[in-house]
Amino acid sequence: GDSVTQMEGPVTLSEEAFLTINCTYTATGYPSLFWYVQYPGEGLQLLLKATKADDKGSNKGFEATYRKETTSFHLEKGSVQVSDSAVYFCALSELAGNKLTFGGGTRVLVKP
Amino acid sequence: GAVVSQHPSWVICKSGTSVKIECRSLDFQATTMFWYRQFPKQSLMLMATSNEGSKATYEQGVEKDKFLINHASLTLSTLTVTSAHPEDSSFYICSALVGGHRQPQHFGDGTRLSIL
Repeated sequence: GDSVTQMEGPVTLSEEAFLTINCTYTATGYPSLFWYVQYPGEGLQLLLKATKADDKGSNKGFEATYRKETTSFHLEKGSVQVSDSAVYFCALSELAGNKLTFGGGTRVLVKP
Repeated sequence: GAVVSQHPSWVICKSGTSVKIECRSLDFQATTMFWYRQFPKQSLMLMATSNEGSKATYEQGVEKDKFLINHASLTLSTLTVTSAHPEDSSFYICSALVGGHRQPQHFGDGTRLSIL
């Protein structure tokens, strides 16, 4: 079956540091890939998405590129802020059932 | 756009009672709605997939008689936790989808359920 693996946290950074969260996946078909962010006590918000190989999703300074050859979708941000402290989830969706398969989540803490 | 409202956001009730959680898509009609459960510091676990006018599809291991899902319209799905017990305490999150798998799901803010 499908699966998503992302690096375990917590990841602790100083403000303005570079952030990378690794995400790799296995899928039987040709999935769409997503990054969601969850702030404490809230639901998930879509951060960015990519639907085909070599697509780059970007939003709020975050970027991720759909790499089919390495089955990866790593999230990056060049300069993090305290407000970026949250849990980040990598996810994939396949045609069958439109279900999302989530990674385990990575907690990021940005210190001033 | 694509706002999903989930209500209530927090509920505390006694063991043995039933609790209903509503999930509404406010500015779009959802093809499909999903219900998830999330334990502390863990990822989301899909409980069921719900389509308007048809029976929900439950994931393996989820008791359909315990977690009743009704999808009365393209903008409303409800989850009822029947005869709730302390082990049902959790964070429940709904999402709504318009379109196919290349579209993102839009999530509600979640409901924290505490059973005493």
